[in-house]
Amino acid sequence: GAVVSQHPSRVICKSGTSVKIECRSLDFQATTMFWYRQFPKQSLMLMATSNEGSKATYEQGVEKDKFLINHASLTLSTLTVTSAHPEDSSFYICSARGLPHNEQFFGPGTRLTVL
Amino acid sequence: AQSVSQHNHHVILSEAASLELGCNYSYGGTVNLFWYVQYPGQHLQLLLKYFSGDPLVKGIKGFEAEFIKSKFSFNLRKPSVQWSDTAEYFCAVNAGNTDKLIFGTGTRLQVFP
Repeated sequence: GAVVSQHPSRVICKSGTSVKIECRSLDFQATTMFWYRQFPKQSLMLMATSNEGSKATYEQGVEKDKFLINHASLTLSTLTVTSAHPEDSSFYICSARGLPHNEQFFGPGTRLTVL
Repeated sequence: AQSVSQHNHHVILSEAASLELGCNYSYGGTVNLFWYVQYPGQHLQLLLKYFSGDPLVKGIKGFEAEFIKSKFSFNLRKPSVQWSDTAEYFCAVNAGNTDKLIFGTGTRLQVFP
């Protein structure tokens, strides 16, 4: 299967700072990338869908000004959590989809802790 | 709105026992169905998927799932589990005309030797 990486795997930051998380498709071109959030012992909740070269589509209840998504190339999408607060602490997972694959491949996730 | 429910939140089995994890979804149209597994400390991996055709789908590591349209179900089965099957299992659905995956809440499986 295809490989998706995320960086960093773990980040701790102070309240009020911004954090950028990268998601890369290593061996295929990802025309679409997805960002999910997973709370402890809960399921993955889709935050937004991004297509290369266009603005991301956010799910209801997700603040687009707080969670900035950029999908500038076919192998890279970034999620920036702006002015992070403790309630933003969570596990953020990206996935990518692109030809010739017809399924999403998931990254290993990024554990964000906001102090 | 689409939703996915997994009834078993935590399942504990001994090795060689049979496994069945329930998954029901709510959506009246064409759906694609998935089961993912998340081993401790690892990322989500696809176990199997159903798009169309034979409703009995075979996946990796001896897992299979059966799509029963009339029951809106896609239960996961394995005839004989191993200790290495200890993981979190997620059922997911996407409507045929979208890319979005809707996940169930997951089932934690613990297999004891």
